[in-house]
Amino acid sequence: NAGVTQTPKFRILKIGQSMTLQCTQDMNHNYMYWYRQDPGMGLKLIYYSVGAGITDKGEVPNGYNVSRSTTEDFPLRLELAAPSQTSVYFCAAGPQHFGDGTRLSIL
Amino acid sequence: EDQVTQSPEALRLQEGESSSLNCSYTVSGLRGLFWYRQDPGKGPEFLFTLYSAGEEKEKERLKATLTKKESFLHITAPKPEDSATYLCAAQKGGYQKVTFGTGTKLQVIP
Repeated sequence: NAGVTQTPKFRILKIGQSMTLQCTQDMNHNYMYWYRQDPGMGLKLIYYSVGAGITDKGEVPNGYNVSRSTTEDFPLRLELAAPSQTSVYFCAAGPQHFGDGTRLSIL
Repeated sequence: EDQVTQSPEALRLQEGESSSLNCSYTVSGLRGLFWYRQDPGKGPEFLFTLYSAGEEKEKERLKATLTKKESFLHITAPKPEDSATYLCAAQKGGYQKVTFGTGTKLQVIP
């Protein structure tokens, strides 16, 4: 009964480094989402996917990339990390099922 | 532009003191209005989906209602374990994107 699993839970990056945030779901849901949540702000949509091979930009896509090669996996790639990308990142399957987030600090 | 506004930002209640949280939305052709509970360090936990004006849903001490412009989350006789941030979000018809409000932080004091 895993639902949506995100790894890692915490990460500290240096400015300019790259990393991939992993997201896996076991509910066979077509729709998957990546959000970021900053203190006092609502969740902002970064990218979303309506099925394997199909992705689209959300409200704040700059500095990020995604891929969806399978229904289960929806990784988020950060290239050239910047301090403005310090945030908590949530992956969701459909509007109902969220992972517990990745807390990312860029120093 | 689609917008979701929640009020109040924070609410402090005594145990047993009922109240309501508000979620106003400007989303044309609403497909669904969602309520979530979020505990510190956790992802949002889904509570309800409302689809049309006049609809109501209940779960334990929580009841969600929907009009054409806003939704309310009524909390009846809250307990300390109801303390959390409550988020609402709206999905526009024909789109998969969901717009979130900034949440109401609820504290229930014993």
